Amino acid sequence: DTAVSQTPKYLVTQMGNDKSIKCEQNLGHDTMYWYKQDSKKFLKIMFSYNNKELIINETVPNRFSPKSPDKAHLNLHINSLELGDSAVYFCASSHRTSPEETQYFGPGTRLLVL
Amino acid sequence: AQKITQTQPGMFVQEKEAVTLDCTYDTSDPSYGLFWYKQPSSGEMIFLIYQGSYDQQNATEGRYSLNFQKARKSANLVISASQLGDSAMYFCAMREEGYQKVTFGTGTKLQVIP
Repeated sequence: DTAVSQTPKYLVTQMGNDKSIKCEQNLGHDTMYWYKQDSKKFLKIMFSYNNKELIINETVPNRFSPKSPDKAHLNLHINSLELGDSAVYFCASSHRTSPEETQYFGPGTRLLVL
Repeated sequence: AQKITQTQPGMFVQEKEAVTLDCTYDTSDPSYGLFWYKQPSSGEMIFLIYQGSYDQQNATEGRYSLNFQKARKSANLVISASQLGDSAMYFCAMREEGYQKVTFGTGTKLQVIP
């Protein structure tokens, strides 16, 4: 009965590689997000999709490309990985029509680029 | 200017005591929501409590309560009867009505001492 799930949980890869992280939510939410948490624990929004439409696209390198095949899924593809991409990536979801629009987070994907 | 400020990078509290984690925010939007999340050492982000800007009463959820002082633009989290399992990072966050995204503070690391 996992609410927001991410795969993989850990990702160790070499510089220059391309990798993807997948996210799925079974909460019936209409909005999904990608966040990056750096080594100092600072959490920053990267992207957000509402009903498969991109609504937030923060200043991130265009090596990062989100894709939302449907409302329940949001994937993140990263090309040409760099050392600075090492971080924890969180997926989250919310319901925009609820008053609080509380975001619920997945367990995170710990990416280490060597 | 920082939208969310958490001035306490780290705090200690004795088990069974109450503790207050500070959060101040900056917005000119009359409608906004304030959130607190807990991040234990295992890494997941756990939603704790929500306060809407128009809510007349302070939010409470079990041992968590939010001391909302609108004029001072503060939204402090109070944890009563601290438990060892409360040791974690705590993040304050704000969503403004005019914006799609949630802004997070830098977090406070709470350690509960037996």
